[in-house]
Amino acid sequence: SQQGEEDPQALSIQEGENATMNCSYKTSINNLQWYRQNSGRGLVHLILIRSNEREKHSGRLRVTLDTSKKSSSLLITASRAADTASYFCATRSNYQLIWGAGTKLIIKP
Amino acid sequence: EAQVTQNPRYLITVTGKKLTVTCSQNMNHEYMSWYRQDPGLGLRQIYYSMNVEVTDKGDVPEGYKVSRKEKRNFPLILESPSPNQTSLYFCASSLYPLVGRVRQETQYFGPGTRLLVL
Repeated sequence: SQQGEEDPQALSIQEGENATMNCSYKTSINNLQWYRQNSGRGLVHLILIRSNEREKHSGRLRVTLDTSKKSSSLLITASRAADTASYFCATRSNYQLIWGAGTKLIIKP
Repeated sequence: EAQVTQNPRYLITVTGKKLTVTCSQNMNHEYMSWYRQDPGLGLRQIYYSMNVEVTDKGDVPEGYKVSRKEKRNFPLILESPSPNQTSLYFCASSLYPLVGRVRQETQYFGPGTRLLVL
């Protein structure tokens, strides 16, 4: 069953703007990861945040986690054309990784 | 180069004709898994393996088999493919699944296999 759900399903912004996408999940988790997928290719790991962490940064990426609301957000600052991709959250509950349906991000030049 | 390889990359077959998609990783990873990706449904885990000879069902195991006889290989077998198994398949691996550290938990994905079952 799908646990992570990304919101919005699609997002189109101008280059240079910030992009925010959200992920909600249903059960308790060990950690939450964000991945990027360029069209039809394998996913690439972006960032992992543990269940006892609230915020994490990596370059232009900022991830927050609110376990009380069972949600996470991914912020990409100063977006670039190369950020155009689909973004997925994955939650780990014991041995399984459960993935959301993804947010398709389009950066317009 | 550290990588996960899958073969074939593209496959067109007919209903009922057994096929195998191979997956191999050269990073000595313990955890391997298979996913299928369908439009609007994201990634769904088919099977995963914690180590050699240890496999378990994911969310959508029906119609699939796997084996893990060697650490590096994790083939996906469709004994009798049906059109609803037309999909994009990904193999992925990671060091350890339960440590909670980025290096150990990061999933490395193969390039994908596009399967069309007629």
